[in-house]
Formats: sequence, structure tokens, C-alpha cells
Amino acid sequence: KAGVTQTPRYLIKTRGQQVTLSCSPISGHRSVSWYQQTPGQGLQFLFEYFSETQRNKGNFPGRFSGRQFSNSRSEMNVSTLELGDSALYLCASSLNRGEAFFGQGTRLTVV
Amino acid sequence: GDSVTQMEGPVTLSEEAFLTINCTYTATGYPSLFWYVQYPGEGLQLLLKATKADDKGSNKGFEATYRKETTSFHLEKGSVQVSDSAVYFCALLYNNNDMRFGAGTRLTVKP
Repeated sequence: KAGVTQTPRYLIKTRGQQVTLSCSPISGHRSVSWYQQTPGQGLQFLFEYFSETQRNKGNFPGRFSGRQFSNSRSEMNVSTLELGDSALYLCASSLNRGEAFFGQGTRLTVV
Repeated sequence: GDSVTQMEGPVTLSEEAFLTINCTYTATGYPSLFWYVQYPGEGLQLLLKATKADDKGSNKGFEATYRKETTSFHLEKGSVQVSDSAVYFCALLYNNNDMRFGAGTRLTVKP
């Protein structure tokens, strides 16, 4: 059974640009959550999508958005990038409510 | 809101030493509790979980018991190996799949 796949693995963007990250969950999993990991703030919950609907949202500005498609694949978008957005972005999939299976992450560097 | 607090380390042990990483939680109810492990350059892997009080989660020689009296979920291993060197995260399941993580504890095991 394939795991959670995140693409791309690495990204370098310039301040002010926007970026889209992709996540393919484990087959059959309908929930996809996104987390930001930084040395200073640790792991912080961004949002969760379940059956194409945002079910939960963390405390991040509106520049961070996401969506989920009918095949459960999810994308996360960050607009008007800031230097502080540099982080490892992790996607996790779950069947419904419960243990999360994480992808390897996308390392975003904003310069 | 619900949260977890774990000893931050770093922790350095010799091979075959006993490991304890403390984790305590604050919650209005009895959330499911988890330990995740992160190896360098990787995402998080589920190590073990417990879904109710007095449950013991175990995997690969690691154990943790959900203790509601002390609101704790300490991770233990009787004999660590060099390959156990990683960062360990305690987490609780807050709302649907919003998972709240501790700050992480870096473990280094020396031969």
C-alpha cells in the first residue's frame, strides 16, 4: 500500500511569490491535514480537509489556503510569500478521525 | 485549549541504556494520545498510540501508558540502540484530525 506522497520535496521561492504544494493520501483515506514545522514554533496545524470540505482550521493568516479534490488529493497554497514562511510542510492522511500517516514533507525556502 | 508538554532534551544515551521521555497533557476530556518519531530529512512516523485511560501502547520495544491520574503518557524503552537516534514527538488528538504536538525531544544514542 503506497504511503502519503508529497510533491515537490524541495522548493525555493522569492518573497511575494505564491506556491502550491501537493499531497496524495493513502488510498481510501478521506482526511488530509496540513502542518507547518519550523525550529522555532515546532509543528503547527494549518487545516484539515475531509471529503472535499475544510473541517478544521488552525491559526494561520488567510494567505494560507487549501483544497481537496474528489480523489482526496489535496493542495495547499501560500500567497504573497514571506521569509517566515520558510518551513517543512507536512501532509497527513487519516481514514476519518484517528492516527495520522505523514508524508516526507515539502521543504520550502523563501529568499 | 488541549495541549501536550514534553521534556525537550536533547537526550544523549549510551547504547543499551534505559530511555524515558516525559510527556504530560492538558485536556478537557480523554483524547487519544500518540508518540511519533522523526528521522533526519523525513516526515513523522507513528510509533505507538493509546485511545483511553490505562491503555498501553507498544511497538519496536517502546512503550507508553495512558495515565489519567497524572495526565501523562511517558515513552520508555528498556535498551536503546544507535538506530533509535531521532526526534520523538508526543501528541494528542484534539478536534477531528487536528493533532497537537509537543516540542519534540532529540535523542542521540552513542555506541
